[in-house]
Amino acid sequence: EDKVVQSPLSLVVHEGDTVTLNCSYEVTNFRSLLWYKQEKKAPTFLFMLTSSGIEKKSGRLSSILDKKELFSILNITATQTGDSAVYLCALIGGSNYKLTFGKGTLLTVNP
Amino acid sequence: GAVVSQHPSRVICKSGTSVKIECRSLDFQATTMFWYRQFPKQSLMLMATSNEGSKATYEQGVEKDKFLINHASLTLSTLTVTSAHPEDSSFYICSARGSARHNEQFFGPGTRLTVL
Repeated sequence: EDKVVQSPLSLVVHEGDTVTLNCSYEVTNFRSLLWYKQEKKAPTFLFMLTSSGIEKKSGRLSSILDKKELFSILNITATQTGDSAVYLCALIGGSNYKLTFGKGTLLTVNP
Repeated sequence: GAVVSQHPSRVICKSGTSVKIECRSLDFQATTMFWYRQFPKQSLMLMATSNEGSKATYEQGVEKDKFLINHASLTLSTLTVTSAHPEDSSFYICSARGSARHNEQFFGPGTRLTVL
């Protein structure tokens, strides 16, 4: 059974801090790893990672995948209060391309 | 980007009634749709996978007779919660995947179900 473990489960920082969120996984047939941001509604897509070692970047957010060590990190620099959300890591594996989600990291950015 | 809608966004019903939730892909053909459930402070749990024109595949522990899924067209899937009970109260989210890019899934905005 595919498994996704995120850490930490929650994190409280001050505006301007840099945070690193972790995601480790076990999968029988890896296809992609995805990061989502969830506020009050459905998750919004951040990144999809398929290859090791290639950093994906979008503004203050970046992410990288290590397929040898089976983990990914999501970095957020110069955090803002609007970054407060649950960040979900999800894995696509298997023949039916279903997503397996981790439990998420609740990030709270205080002013 | 691809857009997926869900209707209704929020529903409150009495125990014992059935509730239907619709998931539509608005600008692409969704060969596969996924239904997730999310309880408060928990992650999304996949309930079932539905392919257009065929029966849904349910995850372990999900009752197929209680959660009826119909994927009759390439743009519409429905989830019917039959004989709803308070423990079925949850946030139900669908996602849709087209045939062109298998790894991309697009989420609907979710439906908040409250069963009294």
